[in-house]
Amino acid sequence: AQSVTQLDSHVSVSEGTPVLLRCNYSSSYSPSLFWYVQHPNKGLQLLLKYTSAATLVKGINGFEAEFKKSETSFHLTKPSAHMSDAAEYFCVVSDHNGNQFYFGTGTSLTVIP
Amino acid sequence: DTAVSQTPKYLVTQMGNDKSIKCEQNLGHDTMYWYKQDSKKFLKIMFSYNNKELIINETVPNRFSPKSPDKAHLNLHINSLELGDSAVYFCASSQGQPSGANVLTFGAGSRLTVL
Repeated sequence: AQSVTQLDSHVSVSEGTPVLLRCNYSSSYSPSLFWYVQHPNKGLQLLLKYTSAATLVKGINGFEAEFKKSETSFHLTKPSAHMSDAAEYFCVVSDHNGNQFYFGTGTSLTVIP
Repeated sequence: DTAVSQTPKYLVTQMGNDKSIKCEQNLGHDTMYWYKQDSKKFLKIMFSYNNKELIINETVPNRFSPKSPDKAHLNLHINSLELGDSAVYFCASSQGQPSGANVLTFGAGSRLTVL
């Protein structure tokens, strides 16, 4: 069975400092992993996806994530936080058919000016 | 614009009423979904249709009934609304091919408030 665990429900960073949002996954085969962002009162937008190509995945808005099989992790990072990054972030794994998606419980990112 | 669109965006209604939320996608995707997001932002899958066929039917009260007239539309009808049904409901779609590269595309959400 597939699942993801987001290790932090809330993360606060100062503007201009690095962002790290942690996600561990569980999957019985090579997973497809995603990060989605949800800004207040908006729908979810795809930030990036990993589908067994390069382990370091670059996404939109300067975000990237690294797939580490040995650690079963897919942490999301950004070198320098911007005020507009304040949002809810979801780590997601899909099943091998690509039809069912398993969401983490979300991490709320606050950016302090 | 290519997108997943859902209507209405906001819905305020009384307990016991029946309401529907409509969803349409023009992405040519084969699979559509309904998710419920509660006040703690938890996202729960409710239903999924692939080419008008129900493929995911999670433990949801049978007051909730999805209908897919064609693969571009997936509507959600809710009977006898209860206070606990208050949430944001998201429609989404994906290519639906047997591939790990499928990506979910979401609508903007429909906020349902039951009074």
